Amino acid sequence: GDSVTQMEGPVTLSEEAFLTINCTYTATGYPSLFWYVQYPGEGLQLLLKATKADDKGSNKGFEATYRKETTSFHLEKGSVQVSDSAVYFCALLNSGGYQKVTFGTGTKLQVIP
Amino acid sequence: DAGVIQSPRHEVTEMGQEVTLRCKPISGHDYLFWYRQTMMRGLELLIYFNNNVPIDDSGMPEDRFSAKMPNASFSTLKIQPSEPRDSAVYFCASSQGFGLGYGYTFGSGTRLTVV
Repeated sequence: GDSVTQMEGPVTLSEEAFLTINCTYTATGYPSLFWYVQYPGEGLQLLLKATKADDKGSNKGFEATYRKETTSFHLEKGSVQVSDSAVYFCALLNSGGYQKVTFGTGTKLQVIP
Repeated sequence: DAGVIQSPRHEVTEMGQEVTLRCKPISGHDYLFWYRQTMMRGLELLIYFNNNVPIDDSGMPEDRFSAKMPNASFSTLKIQPSEPRDSAVYFCASSQGFGLGYGYTFGSGTRLTVV
C-alpha cells in the first residue's frame, strides 16, 4: 500500500536558519504530493502541493520539488521565522481514483529567536 | 467561505456516555473525511463520504463508533459508549472531489477527553 516516511522530529533551529524536512514515499501510479502545516491548537492547513514529477510547489517561502526518481518531496525554506514553529505533515493522494490521502507521522519544527 | 466548521471545540465526558461530534463541510465539496489524531498513532482516517454516502469505514475502530451524513452540509461522528482510550482530537475535512491535486480543508478539530 501507499506510505509516507518523514524524518523524525523535533527539529530545533535558530531564526533565519535553513530548513529541510525530508519526506519519501511509496506509491503505485502517479500520486499528488502535499505538505500540510498544523499550528498549535489548530487543524491542518495545506501549505503546498505538486501534482506531477519535477513540479515545484511553493508557498510562504517554503518549497518542495516532486522527485520521482528518488520518490522524495523534501520541504525547504531558506530562512525560518519563529512563526514557522509548527508540525509539518507530508502526504500523498494516489491517482488510483480514491480520495484517500496518506499522511506521514509529522515533523515538529521549533524555531528559537 | 467560513471553512470547515466543527463543534464542539472541546468535549469532556465520563466513560460510558454518548458523545456526538459535528461537522459542516465547505459548500460544494463532495467528499467529507473524519480523522482522529493522537500522539501515539498520529493521524488516522476513520471514515469518508462521497456525496453523503459512506465509501470506506475500515478505519472505524469498533462498533462503538458510527458516522452519518444526512445531507451535503452536515455530518456527525458518534461514540457510544465512550471510553478513556477514545480521548483524542477528531478532525473533519472536506474536499472538492476526484482529480489530481485536490487538497483537503480541515476543520479546527474537537478535542475529546473521556474520564
